[in-house]
Amino acid sequence: GENVEQHPSTLSVQEGDSAVIKCTYSDSASNYFPWYKQELGKRPQLIIDIRSNVGEKKDQRIAVTLNKTAKHFSLHITETQPEDSAVYFCAAGGGATNKLIFGTGTLLAVQP
Amino acid sequence: NAGVTQTPKFQVLKTGQSMTLQCAQDMNHEYMSWYRQDPGMGLRLIHYSVGAGITDQGEVPNGYNVSRSTTEDFPLRLLSAAPSQTSVYFCASSSGTAGQPQHFGDGTRLSIL
Repeated sequence: GENVEQHPSTLSVQEGDSAVIKCTYSDSASNYFPWYKQELGKRPQLIIDIRSNVGEKKDQRIAVTLNKTAKHFSLHITETQPEDSAVYFCAAGGGATNKLIFGTGTLLAVQP
Repeated sequence: NAGVTQTPKFQVLKTGQSMTLQCAQDMNHEYMSWYRQDPGMGLRLIHYSVGAGITDQGEVPNGYNVSRSTTEDFPLRLLSAAPSQTSVYFCASSSGTAGQPQHFGDGTRLSIL
């Protein structure tokens, strides 16, 4: 069935360093790849997304890259700040149903 | 504009009891879905709906029922609660166009004793 794998499960970086989270997906029909940030006790919130007709997208310190041939996509956060500390989820889906399958999450800790 | 509203926020049930988790959205979104979130497991899709009168199973549908009689509401029913259903439940909605962001509610924290 459809599957999304996400790595690493935990990531600790120093403030100012970059952080990279990687995901792979199994369903070749997937065409929409969002990333969500979830703070403790809160709802997941969309931070950036990319569609299959684009290879890279950037929004200030956040960027996402997509390799459809290899079926993997990555989140890049530059100049990390303590407020970036949260759990990050990737997801893959779209298509006719708009159904999303999520990865298992990455706990990012930015040390001041 | 409230977005996606879930009720209740917290609930404790005994094994075997039934319960309905409510989800309503005021954005006229066609697509709605239910997820459960467990530590280390991420968000797993339970059921989803692409419009009123249409529902389908996700990754972990067993033990849950849904219906979609209106565009706005998408309740999730537990017919006979089990301790394995202890989790945080999130409802989400998006427009019907493919590849659109999903908007999440604040979640319902459910404990089954």
